[in-house]
Amino acid sequence: DAGVIQSPRHEVTEMGQEVTLRCKPISGHNSLFWYRQTMMRGLELLIYFNNNVPIDDSGMPEDRFSAKMPNASFSTLKIQPSEPRDSAVYFCASMIQGSSNQPQHFGDGTRLSIL
Amino acid sequence: GESVGLHLPTLSVQEGDNSIINCAYSNSASDYFIWYKQESGKGPQFIIDIRSNMDKRQGQRVTVLLNKTVKHLSLQIAATQPGDSAVYFCAENGNYKLSFGAGTTVTVRA
Repeated sequence: DAGVIQSPRHEVTEMGQEVTLRCKPISGHNSLFWYRQTMMRGLELLIYFNNNVPIDDSGMPEDRFSAKMPNASFSTLKIQPSEPRDSAVYFCASMIQGSSNQPQHFGDGTRLSIL
Repeated sequence: GESVGLHLPTLSVQEGDNSIINCAYSNSASDYFIWYKQESGKGPQFIIDIRSNMDKRQGQRVTVLLNKTVKHLSLQIAATQPGDSAVYFCAENGNYKLSFGAGTTVTVRA
């Protein structure tokens, strides 16, 4: 079975440029999460969608970050304009949210470097 | 604030020995816990989970123990193999939000 698919795997760009990260969740999963991982701060939740609707975006660092989920099989995380401090690995995760606890399943991430 | 943390940042274990990774949590209301394994260049991979109405759960070569009295979680890996070298995270699930510990790096010596 296909897991969570993220693209690109690596992105190197100059500061000021727009960056778009993409995620395809596991089919049938109704919740999607975007995380950022750095050595200093570990794994941080940026935003959470349920049934394509953003539920909690309190982790989004600032207005330069935005996320969308136009349908159940696709989500994007956009940074505009990008800054060097945005350099990190960005993970997407999905899960089935229902009456019982279920684990989140992660993609292999996008390693973002802003020069 | 509430947090999930790990006792030790690194663990070196001889191949074939058993490994024990520990985790402390502070939110006594947490009812679901997950262990993840993260290899270099990959995302966290689900290993095993446990609900708060249990104190032990076994998987293939792994066992998770939950002690709610002292708010402690552990992951035991039997007969550790080189492929077990990775960073291991415990995570506490509060509804939908996962709170991750800092992670323990496990290195398996041949």
